[in-house]
Amino acid sequence: AQTVTQSQPEMSVQEAETVTLSCTYDTSESDYYLFWYKQPPSRQMILVIRQEAYKQQNATENRFSVNFQKAAKSFSLKISDSQLGDAAMYFCAYLTPYSGGSNYKLTFGKGTLLTVNP
Amino acid sequence: DAGITQSPRYKITETGRQVTLMCHQTWSHSYMFWYRQDLGHGLRLIYYSAAADITDKGEVPDGYVVSRSKTENFPLTLESATRSQTSVYFCASKGDFYGYTFGSGTRLTVV
Repeated sequence: AQTVTQSQPEMSVQEAETVTLSCTYDTSESDYYLFWYKQPPSRQMILVIRQEAYKQQNATENRFSVNFQKAAKSFSLKISDSQLGDAAMYFCAYLTPYSGGSNYKLTFGKGTLLTVNP
Repeated sequence: DAGITQSPRYKITETGRQVTLMCHQTWSHSYMFWYRQDLGHGLRLIYYSAAADITDKGEVPDGYVVSRSKTENFPLTLESATRSQTSVYFCASKGDFYGYTFGSGTRLTVV
């Protein structure tokens, strides 16, 4: 079974600074998707960014980018120019993208709580 | 509005009672999921459904029952609630291109 590990239960960053959240995963598959979700205090799950394993280029969405190291099974999230609104719980998630055995089930890490200090 | 609606948003129930959490989607997504979120555990899959009348267990199914008679509805029932089932419950559906949409969650407290 696939597992997702987020080794940092909590992180903090100063406003306007850069922070990196870590995520590692374990899989025997070669084709998969990885996601970062943000959960603010409202509880809503918001997709931040996603990466297809077959793509060598790291995904980027505005101030959010990932460092995808397929061989190391590492998928870290970098938030640049941190803003107060970035404060949230962040979840890393894994998906095997075919309906055979996985049935499109997302597997989540335990989360990292990010605090942004003014 | 299009999306996933969960109800209720908050629920307090007593140990031993049956409680049903509702989930409704306005699309016709085939795949739907129930997760529970607990501090220190992230989100764990309880049950999922590939289509109407097709459901299967996830990682933590004990004490829960699901049904899916219609594509748009996927209720989760706690047959006899226990304190260990105090949690936040999320319903989700899979759209095109692996886009997942989550409901706003139900915070359930079992006293």
